Amino acid sequence: TQLLEQSPQFLSIQEGENLTVYCNSSSVFSSLQWYRQEPGEGPVLLVTVVTGGEVKKLKRLTFQFGDARKDSSLHITAAQPGDTGLYLCAGAIGTGNQFYFGTGTSLTVIP
Amino acid sequence: DTGVSQNPRHKITKRGQNVTFRCDPISEHNRLYWYRQTLGQGPEFLTYFQNEAQLEKSRLLSDRFSAERPKGSFSTLEIQRTEQGDSAMYLCASSPFGVHKNYGYTFGSGTRLTVV
Repeated sequence: TQLLEQSPQFLSIQEGENLTVYCNSSSVFSSLQWYRQEPGEGPVLLVTVVTGGEVKKLKRLTFQFGDARKDSSLHITAAQPGDTGLYLCAGAIGTGNQFYFGTGTSLTVIP
Repeated sequence: DTGVSQNPRHKITKRGQNVTFRCDPISEHNRLYWYRQTLGQGPEFLTYFQNEAQLEKSRLLSDRFSAERPKGSFSTLEIQRTEQGDSAMYLCASSPFGVHKNYGYTFGSGTRLTVV
């Protein structure tokens, strides 16, 4: 059983469209991170959120941590082909020593 | 620093053979993690080290798996008597403070294992 569920699992959109990816759990996380992974490479950290309700922006990417710290969303504005990749959320529970990864959302942006 | 380095990038082995992977973390990072990722899934935790001490192991890490970090620098992950179900990407990550609120992992590019 996966601790973090991501939706949608696959997403294919046209360049310039907006999209939102969701990361949900029944567990409370002390911090939550988003990574992007390209084929054949390791995940690359995009952002860390730690406070319930926190919103962080990274250029065209907006990340939000749920008020109860059980869920998160990633919104991309005006998607570009370079945004193509596997988006992973990962959460830490309490003072635990590992991050639990979500199931991933595979995004394809068509030029 | 060139980041986290993993070798080899690809490994094809016959079922029943032993394989060993190496990970060189970022030099100032004292925490080192091994994850396994199968196609279409997120990474699954295998084990982690703080310096040379192996502090946690997942149930996924059967008796055929062993990991070491002898001097608190590089780490090796060995799989004995490989099975087809071991085919996956093996990812190594390091971090300076473990699971600290504001620090994430720096991952290597992974070792893709194919057991035939």
